[in-house]
This record gives sequence, structure tokens and C-alpha cells, in this order.
Amino acid sequence: GENVEQHPSTLSVQEGDSAVIKCTYSDSASNYFPWYKQELGKRPQLIIDIRSNVGEKKDQRIAVTLNKTAKHFSLHITETQPEDSAVYFCAALNYGQNFVFGPGTRLSVLP
Amino acid sequence: EPEVTQTPSHQVTQMGQEVILRCVPISNHLYFYWYRQILGQKVEFLVSFYNNEISEKSEIFDDQFSVERPDGSNFTLKIRSTKLEDSAMYFCASSRTSGDQETQYFGPGTRLLVL
Repeated sequence: GENVEQHPSTLSVQEGDSAVIKCTYSDSASNYFPWYKQELGKRPQLIIDIRSNVGEKKDQRIAVTLNKTAKHFSLHITETQPEDSAVYFCAALNYGQNFVFGPGTRLSVLP
Repeated sequence: EPEVTQTPSHQVTQMGQEVILRCVPISNHLYFYWYRQILGQKVEFLVSFYNNEISEKSEIFDDQFSVERPDGSNFTLKIRSTKLEDSAMYFCASSRTSGDQETQYFGPGTRLLVL
């Protein structure tokens, strides 16, 4: 079955700097990769996703890149703000299967 | 914007008791899911449900768990005889389709504490 790894487990950046979180997956048949942001005690909220026929997707300060050959995808947050502080989960989905989540990255943006 | 809702937000129960967690998925969604998140850990898939039957379940979803769509709007997770290790946040999610056509939207969760 699918296995998703995520690095780093914790990340601290200064406000205004960029943050990068990387995930690797094991099942080459996986074809959909969402990123969720989870604030303490709240639901995971989808922030961006990418499908396997696309290499990069951007939405304002957030971007995701996918390298299918290497089986990894990354979340990039530019111009970080204190409200970006949260736990970020990546996930991988194989059509007809269900999400396998990564273990999460706790991002702290220091003012 | 429509959202998935869940009740109750918190549930405290004694070990061995039955609990029912309720979810109202987004109205035009057809696929429903339950996930579990033990405190400080990752989100884990429990079960998916489509067309009034289970599509897939994980090894966590054993005989003590069951799901039901009792009417046109609710989707429930029943834990028959709760154990201490069932203490977790339980998230419901829904999507219009399964697979890579649509994304899953999560409810706010029910925090279950088994004493």
C-alpha cells in the first residue's frame, strides 16, 4: 500500500521568509496530492492540491511542485506570515483508493 | 460556502459504552468518509461510503465500528464498545466523486474521550 513520508517534522522561519515542506510517496499509481493546513484543535483545511498530469501549481503565496519520477511533491510558502503557523499535512491518493496522510509538519512563523 | 458539519463537538464516555458520532456532509456530495486523528498524530483513514454501502475500510475499522446513512442528510459512525485507545478526534469528510476528480472537505471533528 501507499506510504507517505514528510519532512521536516518541525520548521521555524522568520516572518517574510519562505518555507518548504517535502513529501515522498511510494505508490507510483498515486495521482492526486493535496495539502491540508490544520490549526490547533480545528479541521484540516485544503490549501492547495495537484494532480499527476501537472508539474506545478500556484495560488498566491502558496505553490506545490510534483516530481513524478522521483515520487515527491513539495509545498512552498513565500512571504510567510504569523497566521501561516499551523501543522501542514500532505496526502496521496490513488484513484479508487483513499487518502494516505503524511505525519505532518509543524510550521512556526516567528515575528 | 457549504461545509461539512459534525455533532457533538466533544463526547466523553465510559469504556465499554456505545457512542454515535454524527455528520452532515455537503448536500450534493456522494462520497463520505470517516478519519481518526489521535492527539498529536497524523490523520488516519477509517472508512469510505458510497451508495449506501462501505466502499473501503482500513484495518482500524474493525467489528466495533459501523457506519450508516439513516436518512438523506446524516452520516453516522457508531463505536459499539469503546476502548481507551479510541480516544481521538474523529473527522467526517465528503466529496462529490471518489478518486482524482474531486477533493474531500473535512468537518470540524468530534473529540472523543474514553475514560
